[in-house]
Amino acid sequence: SQQGEEDPQALSIQEGENATMNCSYKTSINNLQWYRQNSGRGLVHLILIRSNEREKHSGRLRVTLDTSKKSSSLLITASRAADTASYFCATEIRADYKLSFGAGTTVTVRA
Amino acid sequence: DAGVTQSPTHLIKTRGQQVTLRCSPKSGHDTVSWYQQALGQGPQFIFQYYEEEERQRGNFPDRFSGHQFPNYSSELNVNALLLGDSALYLCASSLRDGGSLQYFGPGTRLTVT
Repeated sequence: SQQGEEDPQALSIQEGENATMNCSYKTSINNLQWYRQNSGRGLVHLILIRSNEREKHSGRLRVTLDTSKKSSSLLITASRAADTASYFCATEIRADYKLSFGAGTTVTVRA
Repeated sequence: DAGVTQSPTHLIKTRGQQVTLRCSPKSGHDTVSWYQQALGQGPQFIFQYYEEEERQRGNFPDRFSGHQFPNYSSELNVNALLLGDSALYLCASSLRDGGSLQYFGPGTRLTVT
Protein backbone atom coordinates (compact mmCIF):
# COMPACT_ATOMS: atom_id res chain seq x y z
CA SER A 1 0.00 0.00 0.00
CA GLN A 2 1.15 3.53 -0.69
CA GLN A 3 1.72 5.69 2.35
CA GLY A 4 2.11 8.98 0.53
CA GLU A 5 -0.07 10.71 -2.00
CA GLU A 6 1.14 13.60 -4.13
CA ASP A 7 -0.97 16.46 -5.37
CA PRO A 8 -1.36 17.50 -8.13
CA GLN A 9 -0.85 14.45 -10.34
CA ALA A 10 0.48 16.67 -13.10
CA LEU A 11 1.76 20.22 -13.34
CA SER A 12 2.69 22.31 -16.38
CA ILE A 13 4.53 25.59 -15.91
CA GLN A 14 6.53 28.12 -17.87
CA GLU A 15 10.29 28.26 -17.52
CA GLY A 16 11.20 30.65 -14.71
CA GLU A 17 8.01 30.04 -12.74
CA ASN A 18 7.86 28.25 -9.41
CA ALA A 19 6.44 24.75 -9.04
CA THR A 20 4.80 23.52 -5.87
CA MET A 21 3.69 19.99 -5.15
CA ASN A 22 2.27 18.48 -2.01
CA CYS A 23 2.47 15.13 -0.29
CA SER A 24 0.17 13.71 2.35
CA TYR A 25 0.85 10.57 4.36
CA LYS A 26 -1.02 8.42 6.83
CA THR A 27 1.16 7.34 9.74
CA SER A 28 3.87 8.87 11.92
CA ILE A 29 7.24 8.92 10.22
CA ASN A 30 10.95 9.02 10.95
CA ASN A 31 11.63 11.13 7.87
CA LEU A 32 10.23 12.14 4.50
CA GLN A 33 12.26 12.22 1.31
CA TRP A 34 11.73 13.68 -2.14
CA TYR A 35 13.04 12.01 -5.30
CA ARG A 36 13.13 12.96 -8.98
CA GLN A 37 12.78 10.50 -11.85
CA ASN A 38 13.47 11.33 -15.47
CA SER A 39 11.69 9.34 -18.19
CA GLY A 40 11.23 6.14 -16.19
CA ARG A 41 14.85 5.85 -15.19
CA GLY A 42 16.39 5.57 -11.73
CA LEU A 43 15.44 7.79 -8.84
CA VAL A 44 17.60 10.72 -7.81
CA HIS A 45 17.51 11.72 -4.17
CA LEU A 46 16.69 15.42 -3.75
CA ILE A 47 16.22 16.13 -0.08
CA LEU A 48 15.50 14.41 3.22
CA ILE A 49 13.63 16.10 6.06
CA ARG A 50 13.42 14.50 9.48
CA SER A 51 10.30 14.43 11.60
CA ASN A 52 11.70 17.04 14.00
CA GLU A 53 12.47 19.49 11.18
CA ARG A 54 10.01 21.92 9.63
CA GLU A 55 11.84 23.30 6.63
CA LYS A 56 14.92 22.50 4.55
CA HIS A 57 16.55 24.13 1.57
CA SER A 58 18.83 22.77 -1.10
CA GLY A 59 19.69 25.09 -3.98
CA ARG A 60 16.40 25.95 -5.71
CA LEU A 61 14.48 23.42 -3.63
CA ARG A 62 12.52 24.15 -0.50
CA VAL A 63 10.77 21.43 1.47
CA THR A 64 8.40 21.89 4.37
CA LEU A 65 7.03 19.30 6.74
CA ASP A 66 3.95 19.61 8.93
CA THR A 67 3.72 16.50 11.09
CA SER A 68 0.48 17.65 12.70
CA LYS A 69 -1.19 17.62 9.28
CA LYS A 70 0.91 14.71 8.00
CA SER A 71 1.86 16.68 4.93
CA SER A 72 4.87 18.01 3.10
CA SER A 73 5.46 20.35 0.19
CA LEU A 74 8.24 20.67 -2.36
CA LEU A 75 8.85 24.03 -3.98
CA ILE A 76 11.11 24.38 -7.01
CA THR A 77 11.94 28.01 -7.68
CA ALA A 78 12.89 29.53 -11.03
CA SER A 79 12.15 26.31 -12.89
CA ARG A 80 14.20 25.19 -15.89
CA ALA A 81 13.45 22.82 -18.76
CA ALA A 82 15.77 20.30 -17.07
CA ASP A 83 13.38 20.17 -14.09
CA THR A 84 10.88 18.32 -16.31
CA ALA A 85 10.48 15.00 -14.49
CA SER A 86 8.31 13.03 -12.10
CA TYR A 87 8.68 13.89 -8.44
CA PHE A 88 7.95 11.41 -5.66
CA CYS A 89 7.67 11.77 -1.94
CA ALA A 90 8.67 8.78 0.15
CA THR A 91 8.25 8.18 3.85
CA GLU A 92 10.39 6.13 6.17
CA ILE A 93 8.44 5.11 9.24
CA ARG A 94 11.44 3.70 11.09
CA ALA A 95 15.12 4.26 10.37
CA ASP A 96 15.26 1.03 8.38
CA TYR A 97 15.59 2.20 4.76
CA LYS A 98 12.13 0.86 3.87
CA LEU A 99 10.49 3.61 1.84
CA SER A 100 6.81 4.00 1.01
CA PHE A 101 6.31 6.08 -2.13
CA GLY A 102 3.39 8.03 -3.46
CA ALA A 103 2.26 7.89 -7.10
CA GLY A 104 4.20 11.04 -7.98
CA THR A 105 3.67 14.42 -9.60
CA THR A 106 4.64 14.82 -13.24
CA VAL A 107 6.11 18.27 -13.85
CA THR A 108 6.50 19.71 -17.33
CA VAL A 109 8.46 22.93 -17.72
CA ARG A 110 7.71 24.72 -21.01
CA ALA A 111 10.42 26.80 -22.63
CA ASP B 1 33.44 5.75 -7.37
CA ALA B 2 30.79 3.72 -9.17
CA GLY B 3 27.22 4.19 -8.12
CA VAL B 4 24.59 1.49 -7.99
CA THR B 5 24.60 -0.66 -11.12
CA GLN B 6 21.92 -3.02 -12.35
CA SER B 7 21.81 -5.61 -15.10
CA PRO B 8 20.35 -6.20 -17.52
CA THR B 9 18.90 -2.86 -18.61
CA HIS B 10 15.94 -4.40 -20.40
CA LEU B 11 14.62 -7.88 -20.89
CA ILE B 12 11.57 -9.58 -22.29
CA LYS B 13 10.21 -12.81 -20.87
CA THR B 14 7.20 -15.02 -21.49
CA ARG B 15 4.52 -15.83 -18.93
CA GLY B 16 5.52 -18.72 -16.72
CA GLN B 17 9.25 -18.20 -17.16
CA GLN B 18 11.73 -17.26 -14.45
CA VAL B 19 13.97 -14.20 -14.35
CA THR B 20 17.02 -13.08 -12.37
CA LEU B 21 17.95 -9.43 -11.99
CA ARG B 22 21.26 -8.27 -10.57
CA CYS B 23 22.41 -5.31 -8.53
CA SER B 24 25.81 -4.07 -7.42
CA PRO B 25 25.61 -1.57 -4.58
CA LYS B 26 27.53 1.65 -4.29
CA SER B 27 31.04 1.12 -2.98
CA GLY B 28 31.04 0.71 0.78
CA HIS B 29 27.31 0.06 1.06
CA ASP B 30 26.14 -3.10 2.80
CA THR B 31 22.34 -2.97 2.52
CA VAL B 32 20.35 -3.55 -0.66
CA SER B 33 16.64 -2.96 -1.16
CA TRP B 34 14.52 -3.87 -4.18
CA TYR B 35 11.49 -2.00 -5.48
CA GLN B 36 8.96 -2.66 -8.22
CA GLN B 37 7.59 0.31 -10.15
CA ALA B 38 4.64 -0.32 -12.43
CA LEU B 39 3.98 2.15 -15.22
CA GLY B 40 2.54 5.39 -13.87
CA GLN B 41 2.96 4.34 -10.24
CA GLY B 42 5.42 4.96 -7.47
CA PRO B 43 7.93 2.28 -6.47
CA GLN B 44 6.72 -0.49 -4.17
CA PHE B 45 9.09 -2.05 -1.64
CA ILE B 46 9.77 -5.74 -2.34
CA PHE B 47 12.42 -6.70 0.22
CA GLN B 48 15.73 -5.73 1.77
CA TYR B 49 18.96 -7.63 2.34
CA TYR B 50 21.62 -7.06 4.93
CA GLU B 51 24.36 -9.46 6.03
CA GLU B 52 23.16 -11.90 3.36
CA GLU B 53 19.74 -12.24 4.96
CA GLU B 54 16.31 -10.93 4.05
CA ARG B 55 15.57 -8.38 6.76
CA GLN B 56 12.29 -6.91 5.63
CA ARG B 57 9.68 -7.83 3.08
CA GLY B 58 6.87 -5.94 1.44
CA ASN B 59 3.55 -7.31 0.29
CA PHE B 60 4.86 -9.53 -2.50
CA PRO B 61 4.22 -13.26 -3.06
CA ASP B 62 6.82 -15.96 -2.54
CA ARG B 63 7.43 -16.01 -6.29
CA PHE B 64 9.70 -13.08 -5.54
CA SER B 65 12.90 -14.15 -3.85
CA GLY B 66 16.37 -12.76 -3.49
CA HIS B 67 19.89 -13.27 -2.41
CA GLN B 68 22.78 -11.20 -1.17
CA PHE B 69 26.35 -12.28 -1.73
CA PRO B 70 29.37 -11.74 0.55
CA ASN B 71 30.46 -8.79 -1.64
CA TYR B 72 27.03 -7.19 -0.90
CA SER B 73 25.76 -7.55 -4.46
CA SER B 74 22.24 -8.89 -4.76
CA GLU B 75 19.90 -10.79 -7.04
CA LEU B 76 16.15 -10.63 -7.41
CA ASN B 77 14.47 -13.76 -8.73
CA VAL B 78 10.90 -13.94 -9.95
CA ASN B 79 9.35 -17.33 -10.74
CA ALA B 80 6.26 -18.17 -12.77
CA LEU B 81 6.12 -14.74 -14.35
CA LEU B 82 2.74 -13.07 -14.80
CA LEU B 83 1.83 -10.25 -17.16
CA GLY B 84 1.42 -8.05 -14.09
CA ASP B 85 5.08 -8.49 -13.22
CA SER B 86 5.95 -6.17 -16.11
CA ALA B 87 7.58 -3.19 -14.43
CA LEU B 88 10.76 -1.27 -13.74
CA TYR B 89 12.73 -3.00 -11.00
CA LEU B 90 14.86 -0.68 -8.94
CA CYS B 91 17.69 -1.53 -6.61
CA ALA B 92 18.74 0.83 -3.84
CA SER B 93 21.83 0.59 -1.69
CA SER B 94 22.62 2.12 1.65
CA LEU B 95 24.99 1.92 4.55
CA ARG B 96 23.53 0.49 7.72
CA ASP B 97 23.31 3.33 10.23
CA GLY B 98 24.00 5.72 7.40
CA GLY B 99 21.28 8.18 8.25
CA SER B 100 18.54 6.91 5.93
CA LEU B 101 20.26 8.04 2.74
CA GLN B 102 20.06 5.49 -0.04
CA TYR B 103 21.06 5.50 -3.67
CA PHE B 104 19.05 4.04 -6.51
CA GLY B 105 20.29 2.27 -9.60
CA PRO B 106 18.98 2.96 -13.13
CA GLY B 107 16.61 0.00 -12.98
CA THR B 108 15.83 -3.04 -15.09
CA ARG B 109 12.80 -2.81 -17.37
CA LEU B 110 11.06 -6.22 -17.42
CA THR B 111 8.38 -6.91 -20.00
CA VAL B 112 6.36 -10.11 -19.68
CA THR B 113 4.46 -11.19 -22.79
